[in-house]
Amino acid sequence: RKEVEQDPGPFNVPEGATVAFNCTYSNSASQSFFWYRQDCRKEPKLLMSVYSSGNEDGRFTAQLNRASQYISLLIRDSKLSDSATYLCVGMNTGFQKLVFGTGTRLLVSP
Amino acid sequence: NAGVTQTPKFQVLKTGQSMTLQCAQDMNHEYMSWYRQDPGMGLRLIHYSVGAGITDQGEVPNGYNVSRSTTEDFPLRLLSAAPSQTSVYFCASSPGTGIEQYFGPGTRLTVT
Repeated sequence: RKEVEQDPGPFNVPEGATVAFNCTYSNSASQSFFWYRQDCRKEPKLLMSVYSSGNEDGRFTAQLNRASQYISLLIRDSKLSDSATYLCVGMNTGFQKLVFGTGTRLLVSP
Repeated sequence: NAGVTQTPKFQVLKTGQSMTLQCAQDMNHEYMSWYRQDPGMGLRLIHYSVGAGITDQGEVPNGYNVSRSTTEDFPLRLLSAAPSQTSVYFCASSPGTGIEQYFGPGTRLTVT
């Protein structure tokens, strides 16, 4: 079983829709979590960190449920420019032990 | 600031050849890492460094060497290329643990 698992998608949604992705993790020692965004044939870029209390950045909301060991990302009012692959990332104890999920692909259509 | 730069962008090697992928950052970050990205596998950590002169192995280190003689540079050396090393390689740097990693644009390597 992969340490961080994501539904690969693709999620096809119209502009303006709300879409949510979940990500599950198996290592209860994972301390920190992040969502990265990766455009086609580009490098990953940090979208947002995920805090236990939940956090929001504009149209994006991230939540962490430690009891059930999952992380979620909610995107409201989807834009065409949101089309990308979203990578769920966990960080275990120790330096830079980032564990990446395989990504969820989002396609936003007009 | 150029951020994290990687060269070359594309490379084709024959099995058994060796080469070095270059990575440099101008943000004075202490932490640098190399990842490979393969379809269906996600990014996997090859080697990392917590500062000049210090390196350690990640999840998939076999067939790769690294060195960190300066804060800025973190080259990745393929000792004897194999088709299984066909992948996209990303270098990343970070000012500290648990903090955003900045990725370079990647090197697309094909080994025939």
